[in-house]
Amino acid sequence: AQSVTQLGSHVSVSEGALVLLRCNYSSSVPPYLFWYVQYPNQGLQLLLKYTTGATLVKGINGFEAEFKKSETSFHLTKPSAHMSDAAEYFCAVSDRSDSWGKLQFGAGTQVVVTP
Amino acid sequence: DGGITQSPKYLFRKEGQNVTLSCEQNLNHDAMYWYRQDPGQGLRLIYYSQIVNDFQKGDIAEGYSVSREKKESFPLTVTSAQKNPTAFYLCASSRQGLGAEAFFGQGTRLTVV
Repeated sequence: AQSVTQLGSHVSVSEGALVLLRCNYSSSVPPYLFWYVQYPNQGLQLLLKYTTGATLVKGINGFEAEFKKSETSFHLTKPSAHMSDAAEYFCAVSDRSDSWGKLQFGAGTQVVVTP
Repeated sequence: DGGITQSPKYLFRKEGQNVTLSCEQNLNHDAMYWYRQDPGQGLRLIYYSQIVNDFQKGDIAEGYSVSREKKESFPLTVTSAQKNPTAFYLCASSRQGLGAEAFFGQGTRLTVV
């Protein structure tokens, strides 16, 4: 079964510093890859996704992620953190053979931004 | 505006009672999903439905039931058989298609008292 690993359940960054959130998947066939953000007591919002083509994907709010097949990774970055980036971030995958796109989620990474 | 509406936002239930969580979407999506979220565990799939009058169990279906009588609606019942029902429940929907993303509702926080 597919699994998704997010390294670090909590990350603290200073305002203006680089945000780096790590995600690795387990399948030998690269899945479709997603990053979602969740603010307290709210639903999830899609930041970006990778399906095919260019391996560097740009998303909303200045985030981007790079798919690296050799490392089975899809790490999320933002060059300069804002206070508004404080939230929980989830990496998710869906199998390329699944036309209905059921998602498998990582455990999430809570991001705290300090002034 | 198109979207997914979950109600209520907060729900309190006494032990031994069944409770139903509502989920409605106006995105014309075929697929709908229920996830359970617990701290440190990410989201786990409870049930999903790809067409009206059909649904499948997810990873943690025990103690839950669903129905899909209309394309727009996918209610979740948390039964008294669910041993630890206190959690945040999220409903989602997606169109059919490889790589299609899911759209989420705002969630229902269920607390058993």
